[in-house]
Amino acid sequence: EDKVVQSPLSLVVHEGDTVTLNCSYEVTNFRSLLWYKQEKKAPTFLFMLTSSGIEKKSGRLSSILDKKELFSILNITATQTGDSAIYLCAGVDSGAGSYQLTFGKGTKLSVIP
Amino acid sequence: DTGVSQNPRHKITKRGQNVTFRCDPISEHNRLYWYRQTLGQGPEFLTYFQNEAQLEKSRLLSDRFSAERPKGSFSTLEIQRTEQGDSAMYLCASSSPRLAGATGELFFGEGSRLTVL
Repeated sequence: EDKVVQSPLSLVVHEGDTVTLNCSYEVTNFRSLLWYKQEKKAPTFLFMLTSSGIEKKSGRLSSILDKKELFSILNITATQTGDSAIYLCAGVDSGAGSYQLTFGKGTKLSVIP
Repeated sequence: DTGVSQNPRHKITKRGQNVTFRCDPISEHNRLYWYRQTLGQGPEFLTYFQNEAQLEKSRLLSDRFSAERPKGSFSTLEIQRTEQGDSAMYLCASSSPRLAGATGELFFGEGSRLTVL
């Protein structure tokens, strides 16, 4: 059974701080690892990672994958209150062609002014 | 709006009643997924359709749950004889073979929140 573990589960920081969110995974037929941001509604896509060591960046957010050690990190620099959300990591299993996502419990980030 | 649409957005029901949720995926997406999310948890996979065929069901999907996608477009998720433990957000997501083949990325709807009293 596929498994994704995120840490920490909860984090409170001040505006301007840099945070690192962790995700470890065990996925039988690993295809990719996805990061989503969830505020009050649906998860919205942030990054897709398939190759080790290649950093993906989008503004103040960046992410990298280590397929040897089976983990990924999501970095947010110069945090803002609008970054407050639950960050979900999901491993994509491509067995049987269904591309099933297994999600972690998420990291709840709270950014205080 | 061409995103994934779900309704109703909120449903409050009494224990023992039946409820039905509807999902309209992005029109060119042939894959449709249902997930359930409870407080403090990530979304948990329930079931998956490719076109009208239901190809996979999680063991979380008890006999009281049934999902259909009769014409390969919209889908419904019915819960019979609801229990308090069914209270959750039910998320629908869709993808296309091109995207799924490349990344596995799913596009999520805003969810249907169920409260069973």
